[in-house]
Amino acid sequence: GAVVSQHPSRVICKSGTSVKIECRSLDFQATTMFWYRQFPKQSLMLMATSNEGSKATYEQGVEKDKFLINHASLTLSTLTVTSAHPEDSSFYICSARDERRGGPRETQYFGPGTRLLVL
Amino acid sequence: AQKITQTQPGMFVQEKEAVTLDCTYDTSDPSYGLFWYKQPSSGEMIFLIYQGSYDQQNATEGRYSLNFQKARKSANLVISASQLGDSAMYFCAMREGLRLTGGGNKLTFGTGTQLKVEL
Repeated sequence: GAVVSQHPSRVICKSGTSVKIECRSLDFQATTMFWYRQFPKQSLMLMATSNEGSKATYEQGVEKDKFLINHASLTLSTLTVTSAHPEDSSFYICSARDERRGGPRETQYFGPGTRLLVL
Repeated sequence: AQKITQTQPGMFVQEKEAVTLDCTYDTSDPSYGLFWYKQPSSGEMIFLIYQGSYDQQNATEGRYSLNFQKARKSANLVISASQLGDSAMYFCAMREGLRLTGGGNKLTFGTGTQLKVEL
């Protein structure tokens, strides 16, 4: 199946600093990528849809200026958590649509996730 | 209203037995897709199986099968011959308003079922 990577896998940062997380589709092009956030023992909550060459679409309640998304190429989307605070500590996971098949059966493939801890 | 409902926070099953994980969904859109993902403790989301709203037959992938009851709006996952490695969190997800091309088509996830396979 398709492979999606994320970097870093784990990061610890100080409060007030910014953290960038990369999401790459390794063997396919993805015009659309998705960023999710997951708290322990909870479900995945969609934060935003990242669109190559255009602005991201944010879900209600997600601060655009707090979570900056850049989808500069067909294989890379980045999420930057700006001025991180302890409450931003979470598991961030991205996914990419494998559009090669097209149509309803196309599947989202997920990256391995990034654990962020803000001290 | 919840779009995806998983009523079993946790399930236990003995090795080699079959287990059914429940999922009900709510949508007024005639075109939708239903997915099951497995999330081990490491965090990555592993795609298991897909069922389209217009599919005539229940989906099967190896030991995984989807019991699709459209009138009841249920899409239960059946795992046959459970293995210790099947212990993980399982998420049901839905994508509504399927389109052939273009962005969007985001996934909505249920709250998950933690499956524990025992000897």
